Amino acid sequence: SQQGEEDPQALSIQEGENATMNCSYKTSINNLQWYRQNSGRGLVHLILIRSNEREKHSGRLRVTLDTSKKSSSLLITASRAADTASYFCATVYPGGGADGLTFGKGTHLIIQP
Amino acid sequence: EAGVAQSPRYKIIEKRQSVAFWCNPISGHATLYWYQQILGQGPKLLIQFQNNGVVDDSQLPKDRFSAERLKGVDSTLKIQPAKLEDSAVYLCASSLIYPGFEQYFGPGTRLTVT
Repeated sequence: SQQGEEDPQALSIQEGENATMNCSYKTSINNLQWYRQNSGRGLVHLILIRSNEREKHSGRLRVTLDTSKKSSSLLITASRAADTASYFCATVYPGGGADGLTFGKGTHLIIQP
Repeated sequence: EAGVAQSPRYKIIEKRQSVAFWCNPISGHATLYWYQQILGQGPKLLIQFQNNGVVDDSQLPKDRFSAERLKGVDSTLKIQPAKLEDSAVYLCASSLIYPGFEQYFGPGTRLTVT
């Protein structure tokens, strides 16, 4: 079964606006990662946040993690047409050496020019 | 640096036929993963290798799917016999050996079973 659930399932905004998408998960994690997928570049890693971190930034991306609520959010500031893609959160369970990702169903983001 | 390579990019087969996918990870990446992504869903892990050994194959349908990673580099994923519900994109990814590193994904193989 899929661990994470992204919200909303789809989001359409104007270029230049900020986009926020949320992810909830069910069990304890080692880390949480966000990936972007579009037809041109496939599935690309955006940012990783560990379970002992609360916030991380990378360029126009800001990720927060609330382990007490088992949730994370991804904020994309000053959106561009090239940000149009599907965004997935993916979790890694702690321990055992197995660190395969468990993905949610994704948020489909459309940036209107 | 070169990315994860996969072939073929597209494959169409009839149900009950067999098919094989090939993956070449990024040089130096000891860990290799195969994922299945059905249309409209996120990828689902099928199997994880670390060097030659299997770390996790709990979600691999072993009655029809098999995978191997010879010499700790290239990997093949096979389906025999294929079912209609196997239509999906099969993604290969690799990462450095220690847990907590990002995974690098290949372009995937789109399989259509008719």
